[in-house]
Amino acid sequence: DTGVSQDPRHKITKRGQNVTFRCDPISEHNRLYWYRQTLGQGPEFLTYFQNEAQLEKSRLLSDRFSAERPKGSFSTLEIQRTEQGDSAMYLCASSLKDHGYTFGSGTRLTVV
Amino acid sequence: RKEVEQDPGPFNVPEGATVAFNCTYSNSASQSFFWYRQDCRKEPKLLMSVYSSGNEDGRFTAQLNRASQYISLLIRDSKLSDSATYLCAVRLDDKIIFGKGTRLHILP
Repeated sequence: DTGVSQDPRHKITKRGQNVTFRCDPISEHNRLYWYRQTLGQGPEFLTYFQNEAQLEKSRLLSDRFSAERPKGSFSTLEIQRTEQGDSAMYLCASSLKDHGYTFGSGTRLTVV
Repeated sequence: RKEVEQDPGPFNVPEGATVAFNCTYSNSASQSFFWYRQDCRKEPKLLMSVYSSGNEDGRFTAQLNRASQYISLLIRDSKLSDSATYLCAVRLDDKIIFGKGTRLHILP
C-alpha cells in the first residue's frame, strides 16, 4: 500500500484515559502533519515534522497532547487524560516540501 | 478574521448545471493554493492546485486572484458524484490552512 495509513480507524475511550494513534506516511515523503477535524469544520493544524524534527506546534496542542516521529518514518500522537472536547477526527497527512498533502483515512476518537 | 473563508452552503444544484465556489484568504504572504474534496466521513483528497494563470482539469476550473486574495472553483456539467464538501486551502509558513468547506448537493 503506497498511501498514508492510520491506526486505529475508530477509538472510543472513557474520559480521563490516555490514547495513542499511529500514522505511517508515504515512504518518500519527509513531511508529516497532524490535523484535527470536528463536524462542520475544516481540518485544523496541530503539528508537523520534517523527518524526525518537530518543527511547529499549534496552540491547539495543549500539554496533554504529544507527538513523536522518532526515526523520521511513522509518527504517534498521544492524548493524555482525554476530555469530551477531544472527540474529533484526527487526520495525518504527508507530503514532499511545497507539495499538496496526501491524507490518511483518519482516526475517529469518541470520548465518553 | 479567519485566515481562509468560504460560504458553507449547502449549494443545491441540478445535475448538469454549472456551479462556482469562492474563497478568500487573509494573509497576502500565502504561497500556494489548493482545492480539496471531502466526502462524508472520509479524508480530504486533493482536487487541484490553483495557479495564478488559472488552470483547468476536465470539468473543473480554478482561478486565483492574488490582488483580491480570492480563489474560485468552477464545476461545469455537474454530476451526481460531484456531491461533496469542497475545501479551499492555502499554504502559509510550511503548513496548509483549510477553510470550513462548502457543501455541494447535486440534485437528480
